[in-house]
Amino acid sequence: EAGVAQSPRYKIIEKRQSVAFWCNPISGHATLYWYQQILGQGPKLLIQFQNNGVVDDSQLPKDRFSAERLKGVDSTLKIQPAKLEDSAVYLCASSLEPGNTIYFGEGSWLTVV
Amino acid sequence: AQSVTQLGSHVSVSEGALVLLRCNYSSSVPPYLFWYVQYPNQGLQLLLKYTTGATLVKGINGFEAEFKKSETSFHLTKPSAHMSDAAEYFCAVSDRYAGGTSYGKLTFGQGTILTVHP
Repeated sequence: EAGVAQSPRYKIIEKRQSVAFWCNPISGHATLYWYQQILGQGPKLLIQFQNNGVVDDSQLPKDRFSAERLKGVDSTLKIQPAKLEDSAVYLCASSLEPGNTIYFGEGSWLTVV
Repeated sequence: AQSVTQLGSHVSVSEGALVLLRCNYSSSVPPYLFWYVQYPNQGLQLLLKYTTGATLVKGINGFEAEFKKSETSFHLTKPSAHMSDAAEYFCAVSDRYAGGTSYGKLTFGQGTILTVHP
């Protein structure tokens, strides 16, 4: 069974530029999560989708971050404009439904210079 | 609100020694509890989880954890460390079903880096 796919794996951008990350969850998984992991810290939830609807985006910095889930499958996380403090690993994860085991992708590493 | 505290950001053991990684949680109701492992440049892999039933949970790679409600703890142990166990370990909690779909998300601790010496 294919795991959670993410791209790009690594990205370096200058501050104030924009960046987008893509995620393809495990087939059939209705619940999709984006987490931000800053170096030395545990992952922090940014947004949770159920199918193509947002169920929790309370910790998403909406002035610069946006996310969507196309047709309830793939998802894109965008940052515009980026700040230095956005340097982190962005982890996508999915589960069959809320409460089931959550599976993580390998992450997209962002460096903002 | 839920929170997780992992005691010790770095733990160092010798190969063959006992591994003990500590985790305490704060939650208004007993949560679901998890341990994940993260190897360098990789995503998170589930080691084990506690939802209901037996409080001693066995996971992959010889790890186990015990849920102690009275101590609000979920410490991870392994009797004999291997070099391949060197990684960062995260304890996490999630809320139980309470209606709707806004549940199941994980709240993580700060992580503990495990180093294994030959």
